[in-house]
Amino acid sequence: DTAVSQTPKYLVTQMGNDKSIKCEQNLGHDTMYWYKQDSKKFLKIMFSYNNKELIINETVPNRFSPKSPDKAHLNLHINSLELGDSAVYFCASSRENRYEQYFGPGTRLTVT
Amino acid sequence: KNEVEQSPQNLTAQEGEFITINCSYSVGISALHWLQQHPGGGIVSLFMLSSGKKKHGRLIATINIQEKHSSLHITASHPRDSAVYICAVRLYSGGGADGLTFGKGTHLIIQP
Repeated sequence: DTAVSQTPKYLVTQMGNDKSIKCEQNLGHDTMYWYKQDSKKFLKIMFSYNNKELIINETVPNRFSPKSPDKAHLNLHINSLELGDSAVYFCASSRENRYEQYFGPGTRLTVT
Repeated sequence: KNEVEQSPQNLTAQEGEFITINCSYSVGISALHWLQQHPGGGIVSLFMLSSGKKKHGRLIATINIQEKHSSLHITASHPRDSAVYICAVRLYSGGGADGLTFGKGTHLIIQP
């Protein structure tokens, strides 16, 4: 009964490919987030979704697109992958935006 | 300059010592989070603060809104406390969902 789950845990792919990372939460939260942790372990917000509406998009290339089929899921699609996209991607969720966030286990993406 | 600054970046201490990690921020915030990232990579929320002080077991977090400063204390430190501790803030906004803005983390090692 994992609270926030991500698949896959590891993803190795070549430059130029298109890939997706899935995120699901069973906490009944209405806000979900995607964060990127770079090679220096620095975390940065990419997207947040509240009630299926994209609220923020922090200078992320438009090759990245979040897709939320329902409140429990926020998937991350990445087109034309580049070497610089290699990182760990964390999904998180919270009850509205005023409460603590629960993080998924992360997906380590390696682009070769 | 990062909006969230943590100190120290690295801290090695002996088991049983009292640990303090500091966080300063330069912008208006609506909440401050302390997170723990385990060596395996998982991220756990420890505290969310908007004022005052919170305590959970051997962990204590304080925040001074006027001075834009927060501290995380660990009493009777133990080797299992070894992890990266991350300070993150939710920027004040008029509404909508906001992601977190992160400090660079403090790498804590507790030696037996």
